This record gives sequence, structure tokens and C-alpha cells, in this order.
Amino acid sequence: GQNIDQPTEMTATEGAIVQINCTYQTSGFNGLFWYQQHAGEAPTFLSYNVLDGLEEKGRFSSFLSRSKGYSYLLLKELQMKDSASYLCAVMDSNYQLIWGAGTKLIIKP
Amino acid sequence: DTEVTQTPKHLVMGMTNKKSLKCEQHMGHRAMYWYKQKAKKPPELMFVYSYEKLSINESVPSRFSPECPNSSLLNLHLHALQPEDSALYLCASSPGLAGGLQETQYFGPGTRLLVL
Repeated sequence: GQNIDQPTEMTATEGAIVQINCTYQTSGFNGLFWYQQHAGEAPTFLSYNVLDGLEEKGRFSSFLSRSKGYSYLLLKELQMKDSASYLCAVMDSNYQLIWGAGTKLIIKP
Repeated sequence: DTEVTQTPKHLVMGMTNKKSLKCEQHMGHRAMYWYKQKAKKPPELMFVYSYEKLSINESVPSRFSPECPNSSLLNLHLHALQPEDSALYLCASSPGLAGGLQETQYFGPGTRLLVL
């Protein structure tokens, strides 16, 4: 079967760094996406990884290890507006997105 | 323009009503999607249109009927829904070039549907 695991909830402090992990087992792999979703709003695209390594985009970075079936999203200099759910999604061999359940990130002052 | 628009933003309907959700994108994308999302759950894929043809129907009940009038528009016709169909309905589009980042999906703001 296909499975994506990520922590249900994490808490971090404003100004700090947080790492959200995602492990996956899918039929085929055509890339891994991270989306941010604020409560009641649509998911917004954050990052895409298809090769091993780190992709950096401003305060957000995403890492992939295909051999380990593992990715993480790193958020630096946390701001209150970063409070949201972060969804990990893998594109399988049929180019369909398999979604994780999402990690709710709570930022405290 | 990287925007996907959806109307209406909110919809309340009875179980005997017929209503339609609308989605529009002007990014030249050739793939469009309907998702259903319940609270605290990830989006669930319902339908995929590729080059205006229905390519994926994830065993969705017939009370949901998709329509793609042209490459920019996607509709979801609703009839005889059940209270458990209440959810956030998301439309998304992607370039449809079948290659990794080219398949990044961009989401509309969603329609929050309540079935009474």
C-alpha cells in the first residue's frame, strides 16, 4: 500500500527553527511536494524535491533522501503567520499526489 | 497570473437541491482537479481532467457530476447530496506536462459546502 507519515502536531517558539519530518512508501516516485495550509484556506505550494539533497527558498528549506524514503521541511526565523498545517505529498508513478495527513504547527510568542 | 478562482465561497443547500461549483484558471494549464477536504484531513482527489477529458474518477458517487466546458473552466454539479458531503471543495490546476515540477498543483480558495 501507499503510506505517508508525518507528525500530527508540533509546537515551536517565534524566532526559532523547526523541522517537520515526512516518511513515505509509495508505488513509484516522481517528486515530493510540501504545501502550507492555513485553517479554512487552500493549500499553497512551498517546495518540490525530486533529487536527493536540500532545496532552499528563503526561510524555508526542504530536504529529500530517496533511499530512505524521507523528507523534511525546515522553517527558520519562525513568525506567528507560519502557524498552519504543513502537508507532505508524493507524486507516484501515475503522477497522482499521495497526501500525508498534515502537521499542524503552532507558533508561540 | 497564478490564480485559480472558485465560486461561490460558501454554499448551503438542502438534500433535494441542485447546485454547481465553478472553477476558473487562466494560466494555460491543461490539467484540472476537484478535491474534497474534511476538517483536519488531507485533500481527497475526486476527479482529474486532462486536456478537457475526464481522466480520473476516484469512484465518486454519481450525485457529483463534473464538467469541463473548456480548458479554463471546471464545474462540479451537485444533486441530492447528503449531510456527510459537507466539506471544503477545492479546485486545482497544473500545467499537465507530465513531468515532476511541471505537475505542481495550484489550488483555488475552495468552496465551503454545508448540506442540511
